[in-house]
Amino acid sequence: AQKITQTQPGMFVQEKEAVTLDCTYDTSDQSYGLFWYKQPSSGEMIFLIYQGSYDEQNATEGRYSLNFQKARKSANLVISASQLGDSAMYFCAMREGNRGSYIPTFGRGTSLIVHP
Amino acid sequence: GAGVSQTPSNKVTEKGKYVELRCDPISGHTALYWYRQSLGQGPEFLIYFQGTGAADDSGLPNDRFFAVRPEGSVSTLKIQRTERGDSAVYLCASSLGQGLNSPLHFGNGTRLTVT
Repeated sequence: AQKITQTQPGMFVQEKEAVTLDCTYDTSDQSYGLFWYKQPSSGEMIFLIYQGSYDEQNATEGRYSLNFQKARKSANLVISASQLGDSAMYFCAMREGNRGSYIPTFGRGTSLIVHP
Repeated sequence: GAGVSQTPSNKVTEKGKYVELRCDPISGHTALYWYRQSLGQGPEFLIYFQGTGAADDSGLPNDRFFAVRPEGSVSTLKIQRTERGDSAVYLCASSLGQGLNSPLHFGNGTRLTVT
C-alpha cells in the first residue's frame, strides 16, 4: 500500500483564489510528521509546512495552512490568495516513528497551475 | 547561508559508463539523504547517512549503486555500469536533526541522462 496518496495529478486555480491540495497517508504509528514541499520548474524542493501527529491545531505558515484530519488520515494543503508564482509541483511527505531512521516518504505530487 | 549544493547539474553519459554525483550539504547538518526522482513521480529514497556512516541504504536499487560520506560532510553517489533506466534526477537533501519534525533541505538535483 502506498504510504502517501495524492489523488490530484493536476489542479487549476484563478489568481487570488484559494486552492486545496489533497493528501492522505497510511501509517500504524501514533507518532509521525507530515510535510509539504513545493517544486518549481527550476527543480529545487522547497519546504513549506509541517504538521505533527500530536499537534492539536492545524499548522499555518503565511498563506499556507494544513487541514489536518487525523481520524481520516488526511493532511490537505490550503493555499490562500494564490499567486502566479505558486505554479509548481507540490509534494506531501511523511516521517514515521516505526521506521527506525525516520526516512521521509513522498507522494507522487500534484501539479498546480495558477491562471491570471 | 549556503544551501545544499549538487554537482554537476546535468550529466550525460553512455550506457555502461561510471558516474559520480556530488552533494555538499548545509554546514552542520549531520543527516544526509539521496533520492531519485523520475519524470512525473515523487522522490524515491535511496540512502541515508548519519555522520559518516550509511544508516539506511535500503533504497539502493542494486549493487551498481554506492554512496560514501567519508568526512561526514560531502557525499558522493556512485553508479557503475550505468543503464538507460538510471536516467532520472538525483536529489540530495540534508537535515539538522533526524526527528519526526525535521524538514529536509534539498539541492537543485543532478539530471542524469544515460544514452
